[in-house]
Amino acid sequence: TQLLEQSPQFLSIQEGENLTVYCNSSSVFSSLQWYRQEPGEGPVLLVTVVTGGEVKKLKRLTFQFGDARKDSSLHITAAQPGDTGLYLCARNTNAGKSTFGDGTTLTVKP
Amino acid sequence: DTGVSQDPRHKITKRGQNVTFRCDPISEHNRLYWYRQTLGQGPEFLTYFQNEAQLEKSRLLSDRFSAERPKGSFSTLEIQRTEQGDSAMYLCASSLAPEFSEQYFGPGTRLTVT
Repeated sequence: TQLLEQSPQFLSIQEGENLTVYCNSSSVFSSLQWYRQEPGEGPVLLVTVVTGGEVKKLKRLTFQFGDARKDSSLHITAAQPGDTGLYLCARNTNAGKSTFGDGTTLTVKP
Repeated sequence: DTGVSQDPRHKITKRGQNVTFRCDPISEHNRLYWYRQTLGQGPEFLTYFQNEAQLEKSRLLSDRFSAERPKGSFSTLEIQRTEQGDSAMYLCASSLAPEFSEQYFGPGTRLTVT
């Protein structure tokens, strides 16, 4: 089983702080997606990373793919209450289905 | 069309009853996926279709679960003789094959079995 380990499981911070969450695997990803999910809703795709060492930015979010393509991180600068949610990483198999980690639940307090 | 839709959004049923959920994917997407998510966990793959063909089913999927996509457009997921352990969020996603596929999720159907 190609598990995805996400850490931390829970994170609670004050508005304006920075944070980083991680996604790790023992095997190589062909590609990796990050999603954000709000309670009672489906996951919303944030980004796909494909190339080892790749860095993508989405406003205050910075996504990094490890050189060996076995890990990824998501850094949020100056977090806002609207960033609150469950952050999931997922890998695609050759068949296209996704295997998800169990996510990091982020709470940003005003 | 703006995204994947699912119906109903919530379903409460008694143990032993059958339930059916519907998913309408993004119109040009040929792949459709069903996932199940329980509290504190990420989505877990159940099955997927390419057009009308069901290409893979999870080994975790019991024979009480069946899914169809008869015309390669919308899909239904039926659970027969529901059990309390079936309580979960059922998510549908669609994508455009081939290559690595970015999946777009619907809002989910929350099933509660009492």
